[in-house]
Amino acid sequence: AQSVTQPDIHITVSEGASLELRCNYSYGATPYLFWYVQSPGQGLQLLLKYFSGDTLVQGIKGFEAEFKRSQSSFNLRKPSVHWSDAAEYFCAVGVFQGGSEKLVFGKGTKLTVNP
Amino acid sequence: NAGVTQTPKFRVLKTGQSMTLLCAQDMNHEYMYWYRQDPGMGLRLIHYSVGEGTTAKGEVPDGYNVSRLKKQNFLLGLESAAPSQTSVYFCASSYDDSDQETQYFGPGTRLLVL
Repeated sequence: AQSVTQPDIHITVSEGASLELRCNYSYGATPYLFWYVQSPGQGLQLLLKYFSGDTLVQGIKGFEAEFKRSQSSFNLRKPSVHWSDAAEYFCAVGVFQGGSEKLVFGKGTKLTVNP
Repeated sequence: NAGVTQTPKFRVLKTGQSMTLLCAQDMNHEYMYWYRQDPGMGLRLIHYSVGEGTTAKGEVPDGYNVSRLKKQNFLLGLESAAPSQTSVYFCASSYDDSDQETQYFGPGTRLLVL
């Protein structure tokens, strides 16, 4: 069965430090991969997505992610974290079933940013 | 262009009561989805629709029903609410552009069942 694992439930970084959030997936076919961010009390906002082509994907708010097929990973990175990046981050894989794509989400990583 | 909107934002129900959550999108998207989000569980798909008049079950469909009578609206119904349905419900919609679907989410409906 398809699954997404985010190994870190909670990460704390200092403002200005670099960030890497891990995501591993299990899916038999070529995956479509997504990162979403959820601020407290808000809905989900798409940060970036990978469908094909260049394995390094640029997103909004200075985030990027790299697809590594050999490691079944799609880690999210940011070189310098801002206090406003504190939120919960969800990795998801797009799964085709019954003629449509469905998203399977990881359980999320909560990011705390210290001043 | 409001995107995806959800009504209501918050609701308290007693066990056994019924209610309908409304999702509306103004992006002319074909596909619409209902998820529930529980602490430490991520988002789980309840039901989805690939077009007007169609619905299908997702990962956790029990206790819920849906209808897609109009392309822009996707309704989620709870016929007899249970405390286990206390959750935050998110609606999403997407278009089909050469299979590169991107889902856009609403702000959520927080439901408490007592």
